[in-house]
Amino acid sequence: AQSVTQLDSHVSVSEGTPVLLRCNYSSSYSPSLFWYVQHPNKGLQLLLKYTSAATLVKGINGFEAEFKKSETSFHLTKPSAHMSDAAEYFCVVRNYGGATNKLIFGTGTLLAVQP
Amino acid sequence: GAGVSQTPSNKVTEKGKYVELRCDPISGHTALYWYRQSLGQGPEFLIYFQGTGAADDSGLPNDRFFAVRPEGSVSTLKIQRTERGDSAVYLCASSSFGGDTDTQYFGPGTRLTVL
Repeated sequence: AQSVTQLDSHVSVSEGTPVLLRCNYSSSYSPSLFWYVQHPNKGLQLLLKYTSAATLVKGINGFEAEFKKSETSFHLTKPSAHMSDAAEYFCVVRNYGGATNKLIFGTGTLLAVQP
Repeated sequence: GAGVSQTPSNKVTEKGKYVELRCDPISGHTALYWYRQSLGQGPEFLIYFQGTGAADDSGLPNDRFFAVRPEGSVSTLKIQRTERGDSAVYLCASSSFGGDTDTQYFGPGTRLTVL
């Protein structure tokens, strides 16, 4: 079975400093991995996805993530945080096999950005 | 174009009552998913429709939960004899055809509160 573990429930950074949100995955197969962002009272928005192409994936709003098979990690980074980045971030793996491509979510990391 | 919409945005009900939650997917999307997000958790899969049929309902917690998609577009999640533990945000997502390269697009959710 596939799963993801988000290593930090809360991360706080200052505006203009780098962001690192950590995610480890578990999968018996080559996984499809995603990062979604959820702003308060808004729907989940896809930031980026990895589906076995380039290991460095660039997403929207300056975010990127690197797939590292040797470390089973898919950490999300951004060089310089903006106030508007404050939100909850979910690392997600797609279920492999069976009748559905359902998504399996981590427990989320709440990112706070201090002025 | 229009995204996934869900109605109502908020629903407050009393224990033991029946509720219906509606999802309008993106036009033309054949795959539709329901997820449930409890407080402080990531979304969890409930049910997946491919067209009019439920291809995977393995995430429904018990037989009080039921969902339909009679014409392959709008879906309704139905909860009978609601319990306080059903309180959560119910999310709907749709994708083009349910394939493993699809992106799932999420609606804003319905926040259900059972008193």
